[in-house]
Amino acid sequence: NAGVTQTPKFQVLKTGQSMTLQCAQDMNHEYMSWYRQDPGMGLRLIHYSVGAGITDQGEVPNGYNVSRSTTEDFPLRLLSAAPSQTSVYFCASRLREPNTEAFFGQGTRLTVV
Amino acid sequence: GNSVTQMEGPVTLSEEAFLTINCTYTATGYPSLFWYVQYPGEGLQLLLKATKADDKGSNKGFEATYRKETTSFHLEKGSVQVSDSAVYFCALTQGGSEKLVFGKGMKLTVNP
Repeated sequence: NAGVTQTPKFQVLKTGQSMTLQCAQDMNHEYMSWYRQDPGMGLRLIHYSVGAGITDQGEVPNGYNVSRSTTEDFPLRLLSAAPSQTSVYFCASRLREPNTEAFFGQGTRLTVV
Repeated sequence: GNSVTQMEGPVTLSEEAFLTINCTYTATGYPSLFWYVQYPGEGLQLLLKATKADDKGSNKGFEATYRKETTSFHLEKGSVQVSDSAVYFCALTQGGSEKLVFGKGMKLTVNP
């Protein structure tokens, strides 16, 4: 039972490079989202999706793009990495029904130098 | 907008000590309230939740009661164990929104 799978687990980028963080879930969840976790800041929502073909911005969307072509996958793209994007990134998914549990991946630790 | 304020720590306790982590919220209407836990090197996982006033969520010896009059959802455990060492997040959602709003998290270390 895989749940939410994120890859890679660790990544080092140079300033200006681009990359895609992968997220896949096998629970047929409608909702998926990306958060970043920074010391003293908790988790902040970057982008989210309520279903295939539908995405929207969260609290801190600048510098990130997303797409949702399938129910299972929700990749996060960094267009031109900056040191301020050094963080731990978490993908989460849940069912559409209200108040249901969100399931999180194990995270991607990204360092931009 | 909606927000969550919680104790930030870090907090260090001895095994079998009593734990309280305070959490208060600001929201319009009637949010649902959650406690998530993050063990070292892992993602977050749901610890417990409450969806209406006076509901009590409980799991693994932890409890929290939804208090609308004080807009609070404090987490308690009567006797902590070393295995409870983790970061604890209070969170809320409003209606069917995807947007989970988190507090800043509190790191708990329990020593034997």
